[in-house]
Amino acid sequence: DTGVSQDPRHKITKRGQNVTFRCDPISEHNRLYWYRQTLGQGPEFLTYFQNEAQLEKSRLLSDRFSAERPKGSFSTLEIQRTEQGDSAMYLCASSSGQGYGYTFGSGTRLTVV
Amino acid sequence: GQSLEQPSEVTAVEGAIVQINCTYQTSGFYGLSWYQQHDGGAPTFLSYNALDGLEETGRFSSFLSRSDSYGYLLLQELQMKDSASYFCAANTDKLIFGTGTRLQVFP
Repeated sequence: DTGVSQDPRHKITKRGQNVTFRCDPISEHNRLYWYRQTLGQGPEFLTYFQNEAQLEKSRLLSDRFSAERPKGSFSTLEIQRTEQGDSAMYLCASSSGQGYGYTFGSGTRLTVV
Repeated sequence: GQSLEQPSEVTAVEGAIVQINCTYQTSGFYGLSWYQQHDGGAPTFLSYNALDGLEETGRFSSFLSRSDSYGYLLLQELQMKDSASYFCAANTDKLIFGTGTRLQVFP
């Protein structure tokens, strides 16, 4: 297993377009998390899944954001009608739910122009 | 709400010891974790405290005092490669990250 993979690494999109990111977690991990990070700030929690169930969604997450984990393996995060304020690094992490360590992917850097 | 505050920046020289503090206003968490993040990279797990006291992992040690709502990360024998951002994070059903501390190590 090569860790948590995210695709694409970089995405530039025009304001108003929709974008979708993919995350492939460590295969044994049943929990998957999405975070957003802007420059100089700590990662901010967006949502998390246990297997295919979405258990929590941040109140900060607008209705333009949606995440899925259809088979309890990979996950997608979609942002509709992107805004310049959506520009950030989107990080995915996975954990076994039993321990305390999370494994993060290298992230998808989104730039909305 | 839940918040974890850290100094924004710390500087030190190679070979020195540095302490990065984390004060928090949160409750009901299982423990306190520390993550390292190099520019453009992924956060990587460093250390975890479930109980009060000191945990040592090689050059890195972490401390937690729940009664003082306080923790710290201690980095010894600093190396240039330790220049990075460091985050404390409260472990609940998810990680709640602190504000982050940028460490710069000078030769």
